[in-house]
Amino acid sequence: SQKIEQNSEALNIQEGKTATLTCNYTNYSPAYLQWYRQDPGRGPVFLLLIRENEKEKRKERLKVTFDTTLKQSLFHITASQPADSATYLCAPVFLGKIIFGKGTRLHILP
Amino acid sequence: DVKVTQSSRYLVKRTGEKVFLECVQDMDHENMFWYRQDPGLGLRLIYFSYDVKMKEKGDIPEGYSVSREKKERFSLILESASTNQTSMYLCASWGGSRGTQYFGPGTRLTVL
Repeated sequence: SQKIEQNSEALNIQEGKTATLTCNYTNYSPAYLQWYRQDPGRGPVFLLLIRENEKEKRKERLKVTFDTTLKQSLFHITASQPADSATYLCAPVFLGKIIFGKGTRLHILP
Repeated sequence: DVKVTQSSRYLVKRTGEKVFLECVQDMDHENMFWYRQDPGLGLRLIYFSYDVKMKEKGDIPEGYSVSREKKERFSLILESASTNQTSMYLCASWGGSRGTQYFGPGTRLTVL
């Protein structure tokens, strides 16, 4: 069965630096891969989607890469701010089924 | 903007009670989902529905049932609540070809 792995430890990044979160998957490559943000006590919110044939996608300070050879997606937040502190979930879609990773907690330190 | 609402943000019930959690979406999406989220376990799919009156079991359906009588509404039912069903419950809807899920705010259920 498919496994999704995200950094299980919380990530502490200094304000202004770039935060990089990793998502690895096993077996088959997803048709596309999504990233969500979740704040404590709230539902996840969709951020970005990248397709299998795309290497990189950007949206404002966010950038996602997708390497099907490494079976990995990287999620970058540039010029990070304390307001970016949250849990970020990776969610690849395999054959129409979405599978969520457990998420990585990101703390941006002022 | 897609809006997904859940009937309660917080709920406290007693063991053995029948519990109804309701979810409504306003974007005419065919697909709706119920998840529970627990620390260290992430989001786990309980049930989903791809059309009115249709339902499919997810990864952890035991102890739960669902109802979808109208397209916009998807209900999760705990037939006889138990303490191990204390959790955050999240409803989501999915429309379009990209598979983006839109989540409700969640219901934190405590079973005493």
